[in-house]
Amino acid sequence: GESVGLHLPTLSVQEGDNSIINCAYSNSASDYFIWYKQESGKGPQFIIDIRSNMDKRQGQRVTVLLNKTVKHLSLQIAATQPGDSAVYFCAENPGNQFYFGTGTSLTVIP
Amino acid sequence: DSGVTQTPKHLITATGQRVTLRCSPRSGDLSVYWYQQSLDQGLQFLIQYYNGEERAKGNILERFSAQQFPDLHSELNLSSLELGDSALYFCASSARVGRADEQYFGPGTRLTVT
Repeated sequence: GESVGLHLPTLSVQEGDNSIINCAYSNSASDYFIWYKQESGKGPQFIIDIRSNMDKRQGQRVTVLLNKTVKHLSLQIAATQPGDSAVYFCAENPGNQFYFGTGTSLTVIP
Repeated sequence: DSGVTQTPKHLITATGQRVTLRCSPRSGDLSVYWYQQSLDQGLQFLIQYYNGEERAKGNILERFSAQQFPDLHSELNLSSLELGDSALYFCASSARVGRADEQYFGPGTRLTVT
C-alpha cells in the first residue's frame, strides 16, 4: 500500500522560534500534497497545499517545501505561537485517493 | 465551527453490532468524505461521494458501507463491529473535488466497540 511517514513523532519549540516538520512520501505519481493541523478534540484543518509543479509555497507564517527528487515534504512555521500547538499531518493525493502521515505533535513552550 | 455536523458525538456498542454514523455537509457542498482515525492506523481515507454518487474509495472494509442522500447528507454504516473498529470517524465536505483547501472536517464521531 501507500506510505506517508513522518521523521519525528514529537517536536518542542520555544515560542517565537521557527518550527520545521518533515514528511516523507512514497508515491512518485503523487501530484498534490497537503498539510493539516489537528488540535486536541477537533477534526483536521487544512493549512497549506502544494502541487508537484512547484517546490515552494508560502502562506501566512507557513511555508511548504517539496523535494520531489527525494520525495520529501516539509512545513515551516515562522514565529511559532502557543496556538500552533497541535498534531500536524502531511497527506498526498494521487488521483482521487488521500494518504496521510502518522502525524507530528508540536508543543510550543511559552 | 466548520459547518459540518456529525451525529452522534459518541457511540459505545458491542462487538458484532451495527451502527450508523451521520454527516451533514456545509450548506452548498456537494462532496462528502469519510475518514477513520485510530491510534494504530492513523488517519485513513475511507470513501468519497459527490452529489449522491460514489467518487472514490479508499481503505474501506467490506463490512462498512456509505451513501449520500438527495439532500446531500451522508451515512456511514459499520456492521459486524470488531474491537479494532474503535476509532474517531470524521466526515468532511467540499464544494468541489480535488481541492483540499475547500475541504472542511466535522468534529467527528468517537466509536468505542467493547
